[in-house]
Amino acid sequence: KAGVTQTPRYLIKTRGQQVTLSCSPISGHRSVSWYQQTPGQGLQFLFEYFSETQRNKGNFPGRFSGRQFSNSRSEMNVSTLELGDSALYLCASSLLFGGGNEQYFGPGTRLTVT
Amino acid sequence: QKEVEQDPGPLSVPEGAIVSLNCTYSNSAFQYFMWYRQYSRKGPELLMYTYSSGNKEDGRFTAQVDKSSKYISLFIRDSQPSDSATYLCAMSGPRNAGGTSYGKLTFGQGTILTVHP
Repeated sequence: KAGVTQTPRYLIKTRGQQVTLSCSPISGHRSVSWYQQTPGQGLQFLFEYFSETQRNKGNFPGRFSGRQFSNSRSEMNVSTLELGDSALYLCASSLLFGGGNEQYFGPGTRLTVT
Repeated sequence: QKEVEQDPGPLSVPEGAIVSLNCTYSNSAFQYFMWYRQYSRKGPELLMYTYSSGNKEDGRFTAQVDKSSKYISLFIRDSQPSDSATYLCAMSGPRNAGGTSYGKLTFGQGTILTVHP
């Protein structure tokens, strides 16, 4: 069974631009969560989607948004990019949403903002 | 203070050693505990998954959870150079908790482990 895929793998953007990242979960998984990983803050939760609905959101500004499609694929968008948005963005999929579900991560998208 | 504390190391051990990795946490609502392994420039890989207190063994890996002390551990026996990676502990609240306890995983900072031949 194929794992979680994320595209693109690498991105370079300039301040003020916006970016869209894509995630395809493991086949049959219906929940997708997004995390940001930086050397200073580690892995931080962005949001979780299930059945095309955002179920939970972390403490990030409104510039960070996401959505989920009927096939469970998900996208996240960051508008008005700032230098501090440079990070590895990770997507994780699980069968269901809610505490205790095993989450499987993709390889991540490395975003560099210059 | 972070909800989950993990010594970042780095930790360097000789091949064949027993490795002990630990995390402490402050949120008593955490019920599910996981360990992930992350190689450089890769996504985290789920190693161990445990519910509530107790031990779980899988090959060379043993996970322990002590909820009374809010302390979890991962032991790696007969460590190999291929075990060199960053190890992340993660935890989440109960199912159907509502509020902010859904599928959100709260991670430790990760411990960098090097196993040298």
